[in-house]
Amino acid sequence: DAGVTQSPTHLIKTRGQHVTLRCSPISGHKSVSWYQQVLGQGPQFIFQYYEKEERGRGNFPDRFSARQFPNYSSELNVNALLLGDSALYLCASSLTSNYEQYFGPGTRLTVT
Amino acid sequence: AQSVSQHNHHVILSEAASLELGCNYSYGGTVNLFWYVQYPGQHLQLLLKYFSGDPLVKGIKGFEAEFIKSKFSFNLRKPSVQWSDTAEYFCAVNANSGGYQKVTFGIGTKLQVIP
Repeated sequence: DAGVTQSPTHLIKTRGQHVTLRCSPISGHKSVSWYQQVLGQGPQFIFQYYEKEERGRGNFPDRFSARQFPNYSSELNVNALLLGDSALYLCASSLTSNYEQYFGPGTRLTVT
Repeated sequence: AQSVSQHNHHVILSEAASLELGCNYSYGGTVNLFWYVQYPGQHLQLLLKYFSGDPLVKGIKGFEAEFIKSKFSFNLRKPSVQWSDTAEYFCAVNANSGGYQKVTFGIGTKLQVIP
């Protein structure tokens, strides 16, 4: 069975640019969550979506947004990139919004 | 605000030693608790979970954790570690408030097992 997939694997952007990260959940999973992980820290919760509706939000600025599509895949968008946005962005899927999560390999974003 | 504390950031053990990693959380409501593990070069994967019922939960690879509600703790244990347990371990809390989820991870504990 295919696990959670994320694209791209690596990305280099310049300050002020916009980025879109993509995630495909495990087949049958209806919930997708996004996390930011910087070196030396645990994943920081950004968003959770279930059945295309936002069901959770972490303490991130409005520059961060996300959406979930009818096929349950998801996009994370970050506007006006800052150097501090450089991190590993993780996507996790679960059957429902209140269930254990399965993580993808992440997208490594570098902002220069 | 919800928070998760992992007391040991870096632990070094010899093979066959016993392991206990501390995890405390702060949240007044109902929570689901998790331990995730990240082996070198691999994704985060679920080690074990607690939703309700028996506070002593067993996970994969001989790991177990005990939920002590009065202490807001969910410590991870393994009686005898192996070199293959070398990894980073994360405690996580999922709080549900009115159908809205918030997931908080601890900072992680790096475990190094020496053969």
